[in-house]
Amino acid sequence: DVKVTQSSRYLVKRTGEKVFLECVQDMDHENMFWYRQDPGLGLRLIYFSYDVKMKEKGDIPEGYSVSREKKERFSLILESASTNQTSMYLCASSLVQTNQPQHFGDGTRLSIL
Amino acid sequence: QQQVKQSPQSLIVQKGGIPIINCAYENTAFDYFPWYQQFPGKGPALLIAIRPDVSEKKEGRFTISFNKSAKQFSLHIMDSQPGDSATYFCAAGRLAGNMLTFGGGTRLMVKP
Repeated sequence: DVKVTQSSRYLVKRTGEKVFLECVQDMDHENMFWYRQDPGLGLRLIYFSYDVKMKEKGDIPEGYSVSREKKERFSLILESASTNQTSMYLCASSLVQTNQPQHFGDGTRLSIL
Repeated sequence: QQQVKQSPQSLIVQKGGIPIINCAYENTAFDYFPWYQQFPGKGPALLIAIRPDVSEKKEGRFTISFNKSAKQFSLHIMDSQPGDSATYFCAAGRLAGNMLTFGGGTRLMVKP
């Protein structure tokens, strides 16, 4: 079974802090994704990576950056956390071939106070 | 601006009913339309997917209907069960690409 593991289920941080969310997948998938999930807005793509050190901006990259130094690990960084970044963050991975499902982690509920 | 619009936002049906969730997309380049199911406390998981060369696809009690001219697709759940209570997301993407655009989600409750 594919396993995508997010380092924290719940995280509380202060405004202005630098926040790191970590994601690890164990299936040697080329693609990795970071989404945020908000009620009524569904899943919105923040960043996508198709290979080590490669990244593409998604729909809402402002205020975020990412790092992929190893194939299995994809980190989301909030450079200076703000209250409007309070949300559920979901990481996913997939094979690079078309029609391959995205496998999601169980999410990190991040609160910025 | 949401490129994939999903309705309704929430839905309550009795056990055995047939909930229907609708999605509409704008980008005519989309040619891959998956549905994901999410249970509380879990990440979404692929449920069923369709390509626009077919108008309907069934997997067990789940059916996708696709109307290319209207740029709409829908999920029907036959003989719904309380265990189907979850949030459902439609999505759209390009087969040649890797990214998906998700709808806003539908929270389904199936009452016993």
